[in-house]
Order: sequence, then C-alpha cells, then structure tokens
Amino acid sequence: DGGITQSPKYLFRKEGQNVTLSCEQNLNHDAMYWYRQDPGQGLRLIYYSQIVNDFQKGDIAEGYSVSREKKESFPLTVTSAQKNPTAFYLCASSIGGAGVYNEQFFGPGTRLTVL
Amino acid sequence: AQKVTQAQTEISVVEKEDVTLDCVYETRDTTYYLFWYKQPPSGELVFLIRRNSFDEQNEISGRYSWNFQKSTSSFNFTITASQVVDSAVYFCALSGTNTGNQFYFGTGTSLTVIP
Repeated sequence: DGGITQSPKYLFRKEGQNVTLSCEQNLNHDAMYWYRQDPGQGLRLIYYSQIVNDFQKGDIAEGYSVSREKKESFPLTVTSAQKNPTAFYLCASSIGGAGVYNEQFFGPGTRLTVL
Repeated sequence: AQKVTQAQTEISVVEKEDVTLDCVYETRDTTYYLFWYKQPPSGELVFLIRRNSFDEQNEISGRYSWNFQKSTSSFNFTITASQVVDSAVYFCALSGTNTGNQFYFGTGTSLTVIP
C-alpha cells in the first residue's frame, strides 16, 4: 500500500537527550514536511523539503534538525536545545514543486513525551 | 501575510443534525488554494477537499458540502445529517503563490456528534 509511515508511534525521552523521529513515504512525492501539533494551536511547520538534499526552516525550527538524503525519507531530530518538545509530531508529503499547490498527505504521527 | 481563522473551538450536535464549520482566511495572493482536513481520534489527518481561488463553485460530496465566498474570505464546511463517525477535529488550511507549497493551518474545530 502507498502511504506515509512514522515510527515510533509513542516515544519517551529524558531531558537533555536527542531523539530522532522517522518518516518514510512510498508515494514518490518530492516534497516532505514536519509539523508539530499542540492542544489548541493547530499545526505549526517545523521544516520542509522540496527536493533531495535541500530543506528550509519553517516557523518553529529552533531546537530541531532534519536531513533529506533520500527522496522517500525525511527524519526529524529533536535536540536538547528544544525547550518544550512534548507534542504530537506529524509528517506529510506532497507532489510538490515550486508553484504547485497540491494537497499534503499525512502520516499517523509520533507522540513524544519528555520525562 | 497568510492567516486562517477557525473561530469555533468546539461544537457539539445531536446525531442527524446539520452542522457548519466556519473558516475565514487572509491572504494578499491573488492565486491561492484552500483545503479542509479531518483528524479523527487516531491522529492522522485525512484530506477532504481542495479549492482554488478562481473557482467559487460550491461543492457537494455525499453529506459534505463546501461554500467558498471570496467576497467574505470564507470557506465554510457543512455536514448534513451528522453521524457519530463525523466526530473529529477539522482543520482549514491555506496555501498561496508565495508560500512554496507551505500550508497555513487554522487552529481547528473539534466536532462531537452525540448519539
């Protein structure tokens, strides 16, 4: 089946530790995105990538890092510099390309809790 | 600047009632797209509809209908004869000419359908 997978579904982290969230898609989409969702605040963009080996910061990139070495993979690292990392993280992809306004398709999400 | 406002934080209706979810947007772009997504309790966002700024035709899909009015910058979503399975958080989103396929999401409306 084509789609987006995120792992793990639940993740617990101690303060001061870095942690990496996985996102894989087999839709052959060019663009991939990471969002953070907090209660009552909707979705906020962390990073996005429109092509392999290129990515841009979103509205709340501080304390996060990404890589895009393969078209199908866009892992997100939550570093110890992120002051309040407990949240629900959603990965998305779209056909992408500049000037193309296609719908984004979302993965099932990873719920990160800092202990 | 791009902005989406969903003023209704929570709505509760009794099964079989009709319900309208409001979405008001702000953009300086002349070409833009509007989207609606559904987020059930499982967490994954499900794409419902995309509408471009040049197409003001209303759309109906089964029990769902959308009313796009540029004059009031609104893109409202109506569910007719609501069902318990419609209980979810619904997000409206905007993507414009200068956003590089970046989406701007509203804060969502949580709909509860009571049996």
